[in-house]
Amino acid sequence: AQKVTQAQTEISVVEKEDVTLDCVYETRDTTYYLFWYKQPPSGELVFLIRRNSFDEQNEISGRYSWNFQKSTSSFNFTITASQVVDSAVYFCALSDDDTDKLIFGTGTRLQVFP
Amino acid sequence: EAQVTQNPRYLITVTGKKLTVTCSQNMNHEYMSWYRQDPGLGLRQIYYSMNVEVTDKGDVPEGYKVSRKEKRNFPLILESPSPNQTSLYFCASSLSTRYGEQFFGPGTRLTVL
Repeated sequence: AQKVTQAQTEISVVEKEDVTLDCVYETRDTTYYLFWYKQPPSGELVFLIRRNSFDEQNEISGRYSWNFQKSTSSFNFTITASQVVDSAVYFCALSDDDTDKLIFGTGTRLQVFP
Repeated sequence: EAQVTQNPRYLITVTGKKLTVTCSQNMNHEYMSWYRQDPGLGLRQIYYSMNVEVTDKGDVPEGYKVSRKEKRNFPLILESPSPNQTSLYFCASSLSTRYGEQFFGPGTRLTVL
């Protein structure tokens, strides 16, 4: 069965610190897709990234980077030089070819203090 | 503007009074789904639809119904709401779960007294 674990319920950092949000997934399928979404205090859900299981290259987008490691079934998200505007709840999600469901983790609340 | 709309945004109702939350998308997406968000539980999928007249259960379908008569609309029906259905509900659409990002609606905060 599919499962996504975000063990960090809440993280607090001070501006300019780097922070890593962990995501561990479980699936029996060899083809699957991983996602990160951001939910700022305003409540909307914003797509950040999609990665398929055949592409293990790490991705960098500005201050954001993602580390996908199939060996440890992890898809971690790092924010470099965090800013107050990064304060949000971040969700990791998984979908595989066996089902069309999308499974979300329980989310990590990140608070960045000035 | 590409968007997913939900109505109403806020709803307070009483146990047992049937209600419908509408969801509409203007992106010609085939895949639509409903999620509920509860503290500590993240987002859980209620129902999803791969296309018109094709729907399937997510992880928490009990107490909910959906229909997909048109591609753009995917209403969520609570025939007899109960207090444990008090939650924040999101509708989403995408080309598919595999190939594209989910576009989420703004959310509907439902309180069942």
